[in-house]
Amino acid sequence: AQKVTQAQTEISVVEKEDVTLDCVYETRDTTYYLFWYKQPPSGELVFLIRRNSFDEQNEISGRYSWNFQKSTSSFNFTITASQVVDSAVYFCALAMNTGFQKLVFGTGTRLLVSP
Amino acid sequence: DTEVTQTPKHLVMGMTNKKSLKCEQHMGHRAMYWYKQKAKKPPELMFVYSYEKLSINESVPSRFSPECPNSSLLNLHLHALQPEDSALYLCASSQDPSGGASYEQYFGPGTRLTVT
Repeated sequence: AQKVTQAQTEISVVEKEDVTLDCVYETRDTTYYLFWYKQPPSGELVFLIRRNSFDEQNEISGRYSWNFQKSTSSFNFTITASQVVDSAVYFCALAMNTGFQKLVFGTGTRLLVSP
Repeated sequence: DTEVTQTPKHLVMGMTNKKSLKCEQHMGHRAMYWYKQKAKKPPELMFVYSYEKLSINESVPSRFSPECPNSSLLNLHLHALQPEDSALYLCASSQDPSGGASYEQYFGPGTRLTVT
């Protein structure tokens, strides 16, 4: 069975702090896909990144970076110099290479960035 | 354009009402999804359409009836709902996953449904 664990329920930081959101996944498949989504208070889920299991290269996009480590089944997300606009719930998700597009979501991490 | 639109934004309905939620995308995506999200929980998949055909129904009660009139539109017809069906209903679309790969889904802003 597939499972995604986001152990951090809520994180509070002050603006300009760096923050890392943890994501640990479980799957027996060798081909799979990992995603991060952001859900601000408005409710819409915003796609941030997609990574397939064969691409362990870390990625940086502006203040965002992702660290994918197959050895520890983790796909962690770091926000550098956090801003108030980063306040949201962040979901990590897993999908298989089956042609059935079913995302297995983690329970989410609520990030509160205060001024 | 990575926009998925949903109407209405808010909906209040009684348990005997019939209403519909609408979703539209113009990204040329051939897969569309309905999710239900309760407060402080992740989204739960309800239905998946691929090339306008229903490919996944996650054992959703028949009081929820999806419809995909064409590749850009997705409806969710609601009838005889219960108060516990109150939730945020999210629509999403993606490239066709039938080739095996899983692609990112683009979500709409959702319809916040209250059943009284």
